[in-house]
Amino acid sequence: DQQVKQNSPSLSVQEGRISILNCDYTNSMFDYFLWYKKYPAEGPTFLISISSIKDKNEDGRFTVFLNKSAKHLSLHIVPSQPGDSAVYFCAASDLQGGSEKLVFGKGTKLTVNP
Amino acid sequence: DAGVTQSPTHLIKTRGQHVTLRCSPISGHKSVSWYQQVLGQGPQFIFQYYEKEERGRGNFPDRFSARQFPNYSSELNVNALLLGDSALYLCASSPIQGEEKLFFGSGTQLSVL
Repeated sequence: DQQVKQNSPSLSVQEGRISILNCDYTNSMFDYFLWYKKYPAEGPTFLISISSIKDKNEDGRFTVFLNKSAKHLSLHIVPSQPGDSAVYFCAASDLQGGSEKLVFGKGTKLTVNP
Repeated sequence: DAGVTQSPTHLIKTRGQHVTLRCSPISGHKSVSWYQQVLGQGPQFIFQYYEKEERGRGNFPDRFSARQFPNYSSELNVNALLLGDSALYLCASSPIQGEEKLFFGSGTQLSVL
């Protein structure tokens, strides 16, 4: 039973355009969401996060949107750069549960073409 | 500053053997978590340790065990290896209990033949 779903295994965009990566979740107890980026042969790197009390968080070129009623979040990258090419994982946690357990999606491989 | 370091980086074992994976957290970080990433899947939570105590356990069999040492480094042990244990094992650290922003190491790639 997948609690965090990333339904697009891959996404390809042109440099300078917007990349939109989507994530859906089923567990209504999740109250904190994160995006991680992973390059080959490296561990995941934290990118941006959002608490369930917010609907948007922005950090430079990266913006995460949260729609609690739809149990959906998205990551927007504007403008996309070739260095953004990586696998992006959506993750969620139950902060109130007191554990650092993160539940990850399967990831979306983003390719930004020059 | 050194990040999370894991050793070894690659490991090949045969079925039935046991394996020990090691992790050194970022200096000052007291919490260590372990994740298993099977090819094509996202990381899956195995254990979390804070101040040398187990604070969380994922849905893994008892063949998997871990511990944290006084210097906050950690070991993950897997006994009676199965082919399905082949995966990338990731260690992550954070400064405090309940901090969701984890810092991951590069992982140990375990192949079970």
